[in-house]
Parts: sequence; C-alpha cells; structure tokens
Amino acid sequence: DTEVTQTPKHLVMGMTNKKSLKCEQHMGHRAMYWYKQKAKKPPELMFVYSYEKLSINESVPSRFSPECPNSSLLNLHLHALQPEDSALYLCASSPGAARALNQPQHFGDGTRLSIL
Amino acid sequence: DAKTTQPPSMDCAEGRAANLPCNHSTISGNEYVYWYRQIHSQGPQYIIHGLKNNETNEMASLIITEDRKSSTLILPHATLRDTAVYYCIVRVERGYGNKLVFGAGTILRVKS
Repeated sequence: DTEVTQTPKHLVMGMTNKKSLKCEQHMGHRAMYWYKQKAKKPPELMFVYSYEKLSINESVPSRFSPECPNSSLLNLHLHALQPEDSALYLCASSPGAARALNQPQHFGDGTRLSIL
Repeated sequence: DAKTTQPPSMDCAEGRAANLPCNHSTISGNEYVYWYRQIHSQGPQYIIHGLKNNETNEMASLIITEDRKSSTLILPHATLRDTAVYYCIVRVERGYGNKLVFGAGTILRVKS
C-alpha cells in the first residue's frame, strides 16, 4: 500500500481528448513531483512543485500542464497527446522544500496512460 | 547530471545476502546516493540513502566507498519477494529543487 494515491490507475484516450491525472497525499509533504516511465526504462522527472510553486520543468511539452491547487493535491492536465506519450505516469512527494537532498521521495503506483 | 552504472541483472539464492553494486564516479560532494526498488506494476519503493557514511535500516545496508565513487546495497537475507528492479540513484541539486537521476537499474532475481 502507498500513501501517495493516484487516480485513475488506467486511462485510455484519443489524441484530441482532454483528461487529467490526479495525485493526492496526506502526509503533510510540501514537495510533489511528476515522473514519466516508458516500458522497461527508469522513471524520468517531468515537474517539481515546492510549497505549491513550480520549481522545475524538465522541458516538458506544453501538451502536459501541471497544477498544484493545494499542498495535498497535484494534477497533470493532458491535451492533444501523441501515441509516444503512452507511459506510466508516477507522482511522488517528499517532506520539506524540494531543495532538501536528504529527504526520500515517496511514490504512488502510477497511472498507466495509453494514447490511441 | 551525475550518472550511475549498474549491472543489468543478478541472481541470488533465497536466504542468502544479495550484494548490488553501483558506480557513480561523477558524484559531487553534496549529492546523496539513494536506492529504490520497483516491483512490476508498482511505483518505486524507497529503500535507503546516504551521503558518505555507511547506513543501515530494517530493509538493507548501504556501503559507500571512501572516495564516494561507488556503493553497494546489501539485502542481508533475500526472499522471493525481493525480486525486483533495483535502482541506484544520485540526487542532484537543480535550481530551486532537486531531482532523482535514475540509473538503468539491476533486475534482481531471487531463486529458491
């Protein structure tokens, strides 16, 4: 069981659809992260939020739009995705500011996204 | 970003210690080494981390060489449930945040 909850677990969408991925944690963590993981590859960082402000964007295409409405919630809005965007999208959180190197990140089990 | 190098796969007998090596020769002085594992269809699970001293917790031990260019994760008594992909990671500073730079991972197969 994980304390970072991601919904939905699976999502299939067409290239013209708009959908959102949701991530929630109630551990009081102040940093939250989105990662993308392609099959048989390690996770790659997409975005980092620290105290609800975007602190890192790893040059992610604008068809991915993150949002952090409060300290417990992180969304990833999807629009006009391409088939190569099919992947496992992972959310993580860590206790303090995102600059803290000595605090583990805790991951959810991800949303498996398929683009038709 | 500092990179890590791990063997692609290893086998271990159940009940024996599993020793997973990792090279991180470009690590900087304030960058931590983290280990995570990922079982199929789940998110990465935190195992342990360290800066320069050896560390131990209820899951594993982490041995970091004095020059910090390599480390070894030790699972003292491997069980079948420890079969997973193990990632050695360097946590690097990046602007106002930091990032986990994952290596390619080692597939550990624990066999009975």
